[in-house]
Amino acid sequence: GQSLEQPSEVTAVEGAIVQINCTYQTSGFYGLSWYQQHDGGAPTFLSYNALDGLEETGRFSSFLSRSDSYGYLLLQELQMKDSASYFCAVSRGSTLGRLYFGRGTQLTVWP
Amino acid sequence: NAGVMQNPRHLVRRRGQEARLRCSPMKGHSHVYWYRQLPEEGLKFMVYLQKENIIDESGMPKERFSAEFPKEGPSILRIQQVVRGDSAAYFCASSPGSGGEYGYTFGSGTRLTVV
Repeated sequence: GQSLEQPSEVTAVEGAIVQINCTYQTSGFYGLSWYQQHDGGAPTFLSYNALDGLEETGRFSSFLSRSDSYGYLLLQELQMKDSASYFCAVSRGSTLGRLYFGRGTQLTVWP
Repeated sequence: NAGVMQNPRHLVRRRGQEARLRCSPMKGHSHVYWYRQLPEEGLKFMVYLQKENIIDESGMPKERFSAEFPKEGPSILRIQQVVRGDSAAYFCASSPGSGGEYGYTFGSGTRLTVV
């Protein structure tokens, strides 16, 4: 089966940097995705990593280490609007259309 | 581009009734996925469809639940004889191809409440 672990809550202040970790146990691992969800609204795609290393998109970066079955989402220059739930999700080569989501990390950004 | 459109946004059904949830994918997207989410939890995969074909329905209960994506019209998730445990948010997503690299586009969801 699949299992993903990520912290349930993270807090930080505006302007700070926060890192949300995700460890996974997945057979046939294909890639790791990150999604943001505000207050139960539509999840929004943030990033995807299939190869080891760092992918940067504006204030957000995502990292993957396949050998460690580990990834993280890095949010820089935090803003109040970044308060949301962040989900990591793995995809497998044998079931490409299906994403397996973690339980999510609730990020609260304080002024 | 209107994005992924789901309706209704909220649906209340009595136990034993049927619930029909609709999803129109983004223009140009031929891959549709349905996920279910309970409060404080992640999204659970239900079914993956392409036009007129069910590709993977391994996450969907074998009884009472069905899904389709006809050649014309929206994708439909159908729940027959609903029970209280079916109360959840149901999200539809679409993509131009399968695989996480495509970055699925999600709709705003249908909140189903069974009373």
